[in-house]
Amino acid sequence: QIQLQQSGARLVKPSETLSVTCAISGDSVSTHIAAWNWIRQSPSGGLEWLGKTAFRSKWTHNYAESVRSRITFTADTSRNEFYLQLDSVTPDDTAVYFCARLKGGKFDFWGQGTLVAVS
Amino acid sequence: SFVLTQPPSLSVAQGQTARLTCGARSINSVAVHWYQQKPNQAPVLVLFDDSARPSGVSERFSGYNSRDTATLTISRVEVGDEADYFCQLWDGRSDEGVFGGGTKLTVL
Repeated sequence: QIQLQQSGARLVKPSETLSVTCAISGDSVSTHIAAWNWIRQSPSGGLEWLGKTAFRSKWTHNYAESVRSRITFTADTSRNEFYLQLDSVTPDDTAVYFCARLKGGKFDFWGQGTLVAVS
Repeated sequence: SFVLTQPPSLSVAQGQTARLTCGARSINSVAVHWYQQKPNQAPVLVLFDDSARPSGVSERFSGYNSRDTATLTISRVEVGDEADYFCQLWDGRSDEGVFGGGTKLTVL
């Protein structure tokens, strides 16, 4: 069974960098048949896709326009983890951040979520 | 690009049928997926590719996608179905995920 385990809640100061870890079990971060994504949910409740990373002979990334200038995804194959880094955060970045596996256009497995407060 | 529109809320009596909609121009040109989210939990996939159910999801959940509206139907609604429901598609042109704003289903 595939499971995604995320790092714990964070309090981040404005202008600093937000970091979240997603540890994968039951699948490989370097799989060629899925991609690994970050999605966030604001306090108002909507879901916002932030981007994806996938290994296709090399690492590829695609980021949402709204955060493209501030976001970086990385992965560690030895730990089977992938990471979200969001720079220059503001209170508008306060949200629950989810990692999720993308396969066939759908998000079939999700992490439990990480609450990040910017204050 | 797609903008997915969902009604913010829907109330249905227990035992009745809930029809949750997700609208966008020519939405039937792509596959639509649906997620159920209960308070303080991650979303869970309940329908994919318009009408397919993941293993373990009740047969009471069904769906279709026609022209400008995709619909998730929940038959014989139960108290346990009370949740937020989000539709989602993958925009192949921009290679991006798109979510609807979500519908809060209340079971009376």
